[in-house]
Amino acid sequence: QKEVEQNSGPLSVPEGAIASLNCTYSDRVSQSFFWYRQYSGKSPELIMSIYSNGDKEDGRFTAQLNKASQYVSLLIRDSQPSDSATYLCAVARTQYGQNFVFGPGTRLSVLP
Amino acid sequence: SAVISQKPSRDICQRGTSLTIQCQVDSQVTMMFWYRQQPGQSLTLIATANQGSEATYESGFVIDKFPISRPNLTFSTLTVSNMSPEDSSIYLCSVGGPGGLNEQFFGPGTRLTVL
Repeated sequence: QKEVEQNSGPLSVPEGAIASLNCTYSDRVSQSFFWYRQYSGKSPELIMSIYSNGDKEDGRFTAQLNKASQYVSLLIRDSQPSDSATYLCAVARTQYGQNFVFGPGTRLSVLP
Repeated sequence: SAVISQKPSRDICQRGTSLTIQCQVDSQVTMMFWYRQQPGQSLTLIATANQGSEATYESGFVIDKFPISRPNLTFSTLTVSNMSPEDSSIYLCSVGGPGGLNEQFFGPGTRLTVL
């Protein structure tokens, strides 16, 4: 079983819709979770971090964490064509450390 | 967040040669990391660059192949040694965020092609 799993996509949504990206992880001691956006040919850009169960909102982005189900998601409201990118889920392998394990990424395409 | 630069941004190298990639940060950071992103793949952690001591390598990566230096809190190098076409990847350095949060921020990356 891979440590961090994501649907590879592509996920296509119309402009203005809500895009929902999902991530599951296998290591129960993981405590820190991150979403990165990566445009083609660019390096990953941190867009959300979440550490506690529940929802965390930042502008059009909402991260959701459920440690019992080992599940983290990212919702993008009012999706724009500029949101078209690959979204990477990262999990800190140790309870306090920064050794990240990245999922394979989900490619999102927002259609005008 | 810190401004991170990498040199070179890209290179084309011959099999059997070595390339050293530099990562420079505009402020002192405790944690620096090196990742590899193979074509069409996600990121894989190569090692944690420790200031003043040997790097900590992940499973599957060894010091002889990927020697790392970290002479101070703003600079690190990764060398890809005795390269083969399988080493063609993007190599990224990242730094830990401020304030004790274990976020990471990435440099622009070095695109390496080995012929």
